[in-house]
Amino acid sequence: SQTIHQWPATLVQPVGSPLSLECTVEGTSNPNLYWYRQAAGRGLQLLFYSVGIGQISSEVPQNLSASRPQDRQFILSSKKLLLSDSGFYLCAWSGIAGGHEQFFGPGTRLTVL
Amino acid sequence: SQQGEEDPQALSIQEGENATMNCSYKTSINNLQWYRQNSGRGLVHLILIRSNEREKHSGRLRVTLDTSKKSSSLLITASRAADTASYFCATDDTGGFKTIFGAGTRLFVKA
Repeated sequence: SQTIHQWPATLVQPVGSPLSLECTVEGTSNPNLYWYRQAAGRGLQLLFYSVGIGQISSEVPQNLSASRPQDRQFILSSKKLLLSDSGFYLCAWSGIAGGHEQFFGPGTRLTVL
Repeated sequence: SQQGEEDPQALSIQEGENATMNCSYKTSINNLQWYRQNSGRGLVHLILIRSNEREKHSGRLRVTLDTSKKSSSLLITASRAADTASYFCATDDTGGFKTIFGAGTRLFVKA
């Protein structure tokens, strides 16, 4: 069966520090991968999606970046965090791109102080 | 712009009552999905309804889709305290690579 892992679960970082969040998927190959951010009590904002290794599409201009060094690994990074980067970050995968069931990881709660 | 918007934003009911949540969207879709999110957790897929379907059932869940009105509803019958969660509708975008989520309805079921 397929599983998706995210770590860390929680993170407190100072403004200006770097960020690296990791997401890995097991039990499937060539998944479509997504990074979302969710503000408290709000919906999901799509940040990045990837349909293959090295293929990253960015949805919003920001100081975050994403990389997909391996088929089932998706990394969200920042060189310098801003206060506004605080939020709940969710990774997800799907077998078919666009408008089909997505499977979500447990999320990372990021607080930038 | 946001594709799906849920209504109401929050809903509080007694255990055993039915809960109805609505979703409106703006553009043509291929399908619409409903997800559930427990506080501080990832989303869990509940049900997908295709644009050529009008109603779909899964256990205590009933989803309807009216493409002429660009709206969908999620009905949870005989609610339980464990149904307390946020519920999101999601639609595909015209480009076909993304799923667009609404802001969600927060459901609170009182025991």
